[in-house]
Amino acid sequence: GNSVTQMEGPVTLSEEAFLTINCTYTATGYPSLFWYVQYPGEGLQLLLKATKADDKGSNKGFEATYRKETTSFHLEKGSVQVSDSAVYFCALSDSAGNMLTFGGGTRLMVKP
Amino acid sequence: SAVISQKPSRDICQRGTSLTIQCQVDSQVTMMFWYRQQPGQSLTLIATANQGSEATYESGFVIDKFPISRPNLTFSTLTVSNMSPEDSSIYLCSVGMGLQPQHFGDGTRLSIL
Repeated sequence: GNSVTQMEGPVTLSEEAFLTINCTYTATGYPSLFWYVQYPGEGLQLLLKATKADDKGSNKGFEATYRKETTSFHLEKGSVQVSDSAVYFCALSDSAGNMLTFGGGTRLMVKP
Repeated sequence: SAVISQKPSRDICQRGTSLTIQCQVDSQVTMMFWYRQQPGQSLTLIATANQGSEATYESGFVIDKFPISRPNLTFSTLTVSNMSPEDSSIYLCSVGMGLQPQHFGDGTRLSIL
């Protein structure tokens, strides 16, 4: 079956530091890949997505590239802010777009 | 994207009681899903809510414990029955349309005493 593995947190960074959160996946077929973010006390928000190999998703300074050869979808941001403190979830959907499989989540804490 | 309203946003319940959570969408959607997020954990799919038929439950979840209704394309309910402290979680509704990404409500934060 499908699975998603994320680096464990928490990740603690200083403001303006570079961020990488690793995500690898196992899936059959051609899944779509997503990053969702959960701010404290809120639900999940879609951060970015990629639907095929070599696609790059980007939003709010965050980027992730769909790498089929390494089955990865690492999240990066060049300069984090305190307001980026949240839990980040990597996820994939099956080829039909129905089932979402989530990674374990990575908590990011950014200090001023 | 669809606007999803979940009610209640939070509740504190006594063990042995049941609570029904509502999910309302501002447009017709093909798929509606219910997830559970236990404290400090990731999301686990409980079931897919099917319009006009019984929900499709994932392994480890049963209809007697989590009955689900979906009377139309914009509304669904999840009931958490005979609650115990282990049911303390965030319950989230999400919606999907074909290959579009799923969008989530703000969740219901449930604590059982």
